[in-house]
Amino acid sequence: GDSVTQMEGPVTLSEEAFLTINCTYTATGYPSLFWYVQYPGEGLQLLLKATKADDKGSNKGFEATYRKETTSFHLEKGSVQVSDSAVYFCALVGAGGTSYGKLTFGQGTILTVHP
Amino acid sequence: GAVVSQHPSRVICKSGTSVKIECRSLDFQATTMFWYRQFPKQSLMLMATSNEGSKATYEQGVEKDKFLINHASLTLSTLTVTSAHPEDSSFYICSARTPTGNQPQHFGDGTRLSIL
Repeated sequence: GDSVTQMEGPVTLSEEAFLTINCTYTATGYPSLFWYVQYPGEGLQLLLKATKADDKGSNKGFEATYRKETTSFHLEKGSVQVSDSAVYFCALVGAGGTSYGKLTFGQGTILTVHP
Repeated sequence: GAVVSQHPSRVICKSGTSVKIECRSLDFQATTMFWYRQFPKQSLMLMATSNEGSKATYEQGVEKDKFLINHASLTLSTLTVTSAHPEDSSFYICSARTPTGNQPQHFGDGTRLSIL
């Protein structure tokens, strides 16, 4: 079945540091890829998405590029802020068969940014 | 944009109580809604897929008689945790998907259930 693997956390950075959170996936066909963010005590918010190979999703300074050849969707931000502290989930929606429309999540990466 | 409302946000109740959680899509019709469970510091685990007008599809290992799902309209799905026990304490999150293609799911804010 489909699966998503994220880099192990937690990740601790100083403000204005560069952020990378790695994400790789296993899926048949061409899934859609997403990054969700969860702030403490809240539900999930969609951060960005990409629906086909070489698409770049971007939002709030975060970027991720859909790499079919490496089955990756790494999240990056050039300069993090304290307010970016949250849990980040990489996810995919299956492209067909029994996986169609189902979200599969990575295990989540806790990001803490210090002033 | 699309918004999903989940209610209540927090429930504390005694063991043996049944608890109902509502999930509403506010500005779109959701033929499919999803229910997830999240344990502390863990990812979301899909419990079931709720289909309007038909029976829910449960993931392996999820007790359908324990977690009753009703999707009676295109904007409302409910999850009832029957005869809840402390091990049912968790964060429950619903999501809804717009009908067109593989669009991202929109999530409710979650319900923190604590069974004493």
